[in-house]
Amino acid sequence: GAGVSQTPSNKVTEKGKYVELRCDPISGHTALYWYRQSLGQGPEFLIYFQGTGAADDSGLPNDRFFAVRPEGSVSTLKIQRTERGDSAVYLCASSFGPGDEAFFGQGTRLTVV
Amino acid sequence: AQSVTQLGSHVSVSEGALVLLRCNYSSSVPPYLFWYVQYPNQGLQLLLKYTSAATLVKGINGFEAEFKKSETSFHLTKPSAHMSDAAEYFCAVSDSGANSKLTFGKGITLSVRP
Repeated sequence: GAGVSQTPSNKVTEKGKYVELRCDPISGHTALYWYRQSLGQGPEFLIYFQGTGAADDSGLPNDRFFAVRPEGSVSTLKIQRTERGDSAVYLCASSFGPGDEAFFGQGTRLTVV
Repeated sequence: AQSVTQLGSHVSVSEGALVLLRCNYSSSVPPYLFWYVQYPNQGLQLLLKYTSAATLVKGINGFEAEFKKSETSFHLTKPSAHMSDAAEYFCAVSDSGANSKLTFGKGITLSVRP
C-alpha cells in the first residue's frame, strides 16, 4: 500500500494477556516511530527505530512493553501482561530518515477488559 | 524537557470566519515546531513545520503559523474557515529537526458551523 499500515485496527483483550501490534511502514522508509494516544490526550512517544535498531526507547513506560524491527521494515509492538491502563490507540509512523516528514498510520485501538 | 500547551479542547467558528488555534511551547533548546491535523478515521497529517528558516510558516490547505520566540507561541491561523477544516489539531515540539521524538499537545477539536 501507499501509506503506513497498522494491524489490527481494533484489538480487545483480557487483562493479563499478551498482545502484538503490527506496523508496515512506507516502503523505503528507514525511520519508524511508535506513539500511544490515550483518550483526550495527544500522542505520546514510545520508541524510535532507525533501521533495525531502537535509536530511542525512552518512552516505553515499563518492561512490559517491547518493540522489534528485525529486518528494518515491519515492526511489532509487544505488550505483556496487559493492564486496563494500557487501553489506548497505538500509532505508528515512518519517514525516509529522522529529519524528514513522518507519515502516520490510522492506529490500532487496544482495549483491555 | 519540552512541553506544549494547547488551551481549551474545542473551538467553534462559522464558515468563512478566521480560525485561530493557540499553541505555547516550552523548550530548553531552540525548538522545532509542528502542527498536525487528524480528520475523522484518518491518521495524523502534517500541516506545517517551523525549523528556524522563517518565522511565518505556510502549510497546506491555507493554514499558516507564526513562531514568536518572545511569547513562546506558535499559533495556527486560517483567514477563512471551510467546512472541510473540521478536525482535531495537534501542536508538537521537537528538540531537533528530526521528527524522531515529538512531544504533542492535547489537541483542539475545530468545529465549523454553516
